[in-house]
Amino acid sequence: AQSVAQPEDQVNVAEGNPLTVKCTYSVSGNPYLFWYVQYPNRGLQFLLKYITGDNLVKGSYGFEAEFNKSQTSFHLKKPSALVSDSALYFCAVRDIYGGSQGNLIFGKGTKLSVKP
Amino acid sequence: KAGVTQTPRYLIKTRGQQVTLSCSPISGHRSVSWYQQTPGQGLQFLFEYFSETQRNKGNFPGRFSGRQFSNSRSEMNVSTLELGDSALYLCASSLGLAGGAEQFFGPGTRLTVL
Repeated sequence: AQSVAQPEDQVNVAEGNPLTVKCTYSVSGNPYLFWYVQYPNRGLQFLLKYITGDNLVKGSYGFEAEFNKSQTSFHLKKPSALVSDSALYFCAVRDIYGGSQGNLIFGKGTKLSVKP
Repeated sequence: KAGVTQTPRYLIKTRGQQVTLSCSPISGHRSVSWYQQTPGQGLQFLFEYFSETQRNKGNFPGRFSGRQFSNSRSEMNVSTLELGDSALYLCASSLGLAGGAEQFFGPGTRLTVL
């Protein structure tokens, strides 16, 4: 069965330092991978996606993610964290060859806290 | 272009009642998906509609149902509410069913069942 794992419930980073939010996946075919961010009392905002092509994907707000097929990982990164990046981050996968082509499978989420 | 809108934003019901939530997708988007978000279970897929047809369904009981109208607006209904149905219900729209299309989420409807 398809699944997504975010091994860290929370990540703490000092402002200005680089940040990484980890994600690993398990799918039966080629994955479509996504990162979303959720601010308090808000819906999810799309950050970036990997479909095919370059393993390094650049997205909104200076975020990027690196797709690693051998490690089945899709870690979210940012070179210099901002306090305003503090939020809940979700990794998601859609297996285009599976029976559930229409839905996203989400990880449990990682709370990012950036301190001044 | 206006984003995904959901109404109402907050709802309080009692056990046994039923509730209807509404979602208006981004103009031009024909696919609407619904998700339930709870602290314990995280984000779980409910169902997806495209061109007024349910295309995909998650693992939820039959008390959860939905529909889509010709203008792509969608409603979901929960009958015989249980305490465990308390959650944030998120609607998302996308241009189509293609696997690579990103979904755009609304702000959600916070349902509290007493």
